[in-house]
Amino acid sequence: QKEVEQDPGPLSVPEGAIVSLNCTYSNSAFQYFMWYRQYSRKGPELLMYTYSSGNKEDGRFTAQVDKSSKYISLFIRDSQPSDSATYLCAMSGNLGNGGYNKLIFGAGTRLAVHP
Amino acid sequence: ETGVTQTPRHLVMGMTNKKSLKCEQHLGHNAMYWYKQSAKKPLELMFVYNFKEQTENNSVPSRFSPECPNSSHLFLHLHTLQPEDSALYLCASSLSDVNTEAFFGQGTRLTVV
Repeated sequence: QKEVEQDPGPLSVPEGAIVSLNCTYSNSAFQYFMWYRQYSRKGPELLMYTYSSGNKEDGRFTAQVDKSSKYISLFIRDSQPSDSATYLCAMSGNLGNGGYNKLIFGAGTRLAVHP
Repeated sequence: ETGVTQTPRHLVMGMTNKKSLKCEQHLGHNAMYWYKQSAKKPLELMFVYNFKEQTENNSVPSRFSPECPNSSHLFLHLHTLQPEDSALYLCASSLSDVNTEAFFGQGTRLTVV
């Protein structure tokens, strides 16, 4: 079983739609949860960074973490063509490798928002 | 611009060549990372450095050799690579290896021929 599962898509939605992106994970040691956006031929860009369970909102983006279900989500409201990119979930925690937190990524979901 | 700069952006090398990738961060961070990104696969962590000390080597073949002379600079020395090593190599930094709010560079697209 992969440590982090993410549906690769592609996900195609019309402009203005609400987009829901999700990841599940297996290791309860994860405490920090992130979402990155990666445009083609670019490096990943950090969108949201959250600790433990709960919601965090930033403009059109909302990140949710449900540690009891080992499930995280990113919602994009009023989606725009410029949101078309690959979205990577990532999470970190002390996985017993030593004193540091290991950052593990999902495979990424490709999103296309069409006008 | 994320404050993490990688050079070169593109590199084509033969299997017998030796080359180096460079990463520099201007964020005042103390941890730096190398990741490999292949098509349709999750980012693979290769190496972690914290305050110039290597804290993770994720079973990476010895043909990849990292170097971290200070907290702002990270190198990846490459020699006798294989075609399957062709990928996007990403450098990232974070405040420390406990605080993993990581910021990435634009990557080096490596092609091994």
